[in-house]
Amino acid sequence: DGGITQSPKYLFRKEGQNVTLSCEQNLNHDAMYWYRQDPGQGLRLIYYSQIVNDFQKGDIAEGYSVSREKKESFPLTVTSAQKNPTAFYLCASSIGGNNYGYTFGSGTRLTVV
Amino acid sequence: RKEVEQDPGPFNVPEGATVAFNCTYSNSASQSFFWYRQDCRKEPKLLMSVYSSGNEDGRFTAQLNRASQYISLLIRDSKLSDSATYLCVVNMERGSNYQLIWGAGTKLIIKP
Repeated sequence: DGGITQSPKYLFRKEGQNVTLSCEQNLNHDAMYWYRQDPGQGLRLIYYSQIVNDFQKGDIAEGYSVSREKKESFPLTVTSAQKNPTAFYLCASSIGGNNYGYTFGSGTRLTVV
Repeated sequence: RKEVEQDPGPFNVPEGATVAFNCTYSNSASQSFFWYRQDCRKEPKLLMSVYSSGNEDGRFTAQLNRASQYISLLIRDSKLSDSATYLCVVNMERGSNYQLIWGAGTKLIIKP
């Protein structure tokens, strides 16, 4: 079955550490997205990529980095520069454009310890 | 003012009842609209797109009112399994691009 796989499901980060969240899709979708969800807030866009080897900053890109070396993969690195990284991180993909629905992975819950 | 606003709820509704909630958006040039459902600590899942003419999918009806800049979701004959948070999503112009803007969600609790 096609879908999006995020790993790990739970991640604990120490202060000053960089961590990388994995996102893999086998839907053959061109576009991929990273969102952050905090309690009581809507999803906020971190980065997105509409094609391999190209990506754009979203509304809250500071302290994060991404790469898109393969169509199937869009990993997100949460760097030590991100001061408040504790959140639920969601990866999504779409066939292309914002007039189609997104398919989400099951998310990674990141906690700073 | 938030770009996409929803009543956070919770809406406590008896099983079998009809419930409706709205979502207002700020940009009149918005292109497309969606409702997603999110269960507790899970990912959002697309419930339905919202078309200008309104659309229905079983017990669910979505409508768009461009003049007043809101979309609505109506759930008839509610089931216990409808308990979830419902997210309103609007495709909105941002600079030279369009971007999906997400509401914070309306929590629905169906009671037996």
